[in-house]
Amino acid sequence: EVQLLESGGGLVQPGGSLRLSCAASGFTFSSYAMTWVRQAPGKGLEWVSVISGSDENTYYADSVKGRFTISRDNSKNTLFLQMNSLRADDTAVYYCAKVWGRGRASYYGMDVWGQGATVTVSS
Amino acid sequence: SYELTQPPSVSVSPGQTARITCSGDALPKQYAYWYQQKPGQAPVLVIYTDNMRPSGIPERFSGSSSGTTVTLTISGVQAEDEADYYCQSADTSGTQGVFGGGTKLTVL
Repeated sequence: EVQLLESGGGLVQPGGSLRLSCAASGFTFSSYAMTWVRQAPGKGLEWVSVISGSDENTYYADSVKGRFTISRDNSKNTLFLQMNSLRADDTAVYYCAKVWGRGRASYYGMDVWGQGATVTVSS
Repeated sequence: SYELTQPPSVSVSPGQTARITCSGDALPKQYAYWYQQKPGQAPVLVIYTDNMRPSGIPERFSGSSSGTTVTLTISGVQAEDEADYYCQSADTSGTQGVFGGGTKLTVL
């Protein structure tokens, strides 16, 4: 069974940092790009970032560019999101998700999602 | 930044057909995807690459594309289809993903 399990969420003060992890199982992790998507309380989905299977390509939403870094460890089947200079509007549930296919054409469709990790930025 | 536009809400009676549109300038060049999200749950992919249905998704869900608009059609709507639906695609350069604002489907 394909599974994604996020961890690392929590309460952080404005300006602080947090690192999310996503443990993957049930598929050949290195063959697929992976993404992070977030959802603020009561709001819609927001695409955050994508990383290719061999991490040669990384892309970010304008709202997080320069503050967040996506990375992966294919030897440990784990995806990461390093979040720095956090702001109140970064408060959200953060989902990691697997793209549906292989190759760049599939970077933006996600067929498997984790249960989400809650990040709260507040003093 | 690039945006996808969806109607905030759509209402239909059980057994009727629901159509949810999504508009964006880059849609003729980029695939569209549709997700269903129920309260407290992660999104579920219901349509990929404009009109393909993942395994396990009922046949009543279909997708189509015409110019700068893509449409999710749910035929014979059932009470269990009540949820928020989001379209997703990418900008023209393919370097940023984007979601529509979401459409709340109400089954009357």
